[in-house]
Amino acid sequence: DAGVIQSPRHEVTEMGQEVTLRCKPISGHDYLFWYRQTMMRGLELLIYFNNNVPIDDSGMPEDRFSAKMPNASFSTLKIQPSEPRDSAVYFCASSLAGSWEQPQHFGDGTRLSIL
Amino acid sequence: AQSVTQPDIHITVSEGASLELRCNYSYGATPYLFWYVQSPGQGLQLLLKYFSGDTLVQGIKGFEAEFKRSQSSFNLRKPSVHWSDAAEYFCAFTSGTYKYIFGTGTRLKVLA
Repeated sequence: DAGVIQSPRHEVTEMGQEVTLRCKPISGHDYLFWYRQTMMRGLELLIYFNNNVPIDDSGMPEDRFSAKMPNASFSTLKIQPSEPRDSAVYFCASSLAGSWEQPQHFGDGTRLSIL
Repeated sequence: AQSVTQPDIHITVSEGASLELRCNYSYGATPYLFWYVQSPGQGLQLLLKYFSGDTLVQGIKGFEAEFKRSQSSFNLRKPSVHWSDAAEYFCAFTSGTYKYIFGTGTRLKVLA
């Protein structure tokens, strides 16, 4: 079975540009999570969705960040305008519905570098 | 405040040696704890989890972890390390929600 698929794997862009990260969750999973991983702060939950609806976005750092899930098989995380401090690895994860005890399955991440 | 601490940033062990990675949590009620492993360039993979019951939990790849409430710890162990175990290991905690709190990770190096 295909796991969580993220694209692109690497993104290098200049400060001020718009960045869009994409995620395809595992088919049948009702929960989708976006995380950011940095050396300084480790792995942080940014936002998560249930059945395409954002449930908790308290981890989104500021208004420059936005996330959408237009359907059950696709989600985007957008940064506009991007800044050098946004450089990090961004992970998407998904899990089955029913209970938070269901394990979260992670994608391989997008390594973002803002110059 | 709820938090997870992994005191060791780096650990180096020889292949075949035993391994223990430390994890401490801060939470006033029953914690729900996980260990994940991250290989270079990949996402996190769940090794094991503790929710209740037996405090010694078995996971994949020969790993186990022991929950000790008195010490607020959930240390990961493996009796004999293989070179393929070199990776970064994350302890995570939740109070019973979808919001997991991750430790900062321990990078394991295995010497041949």
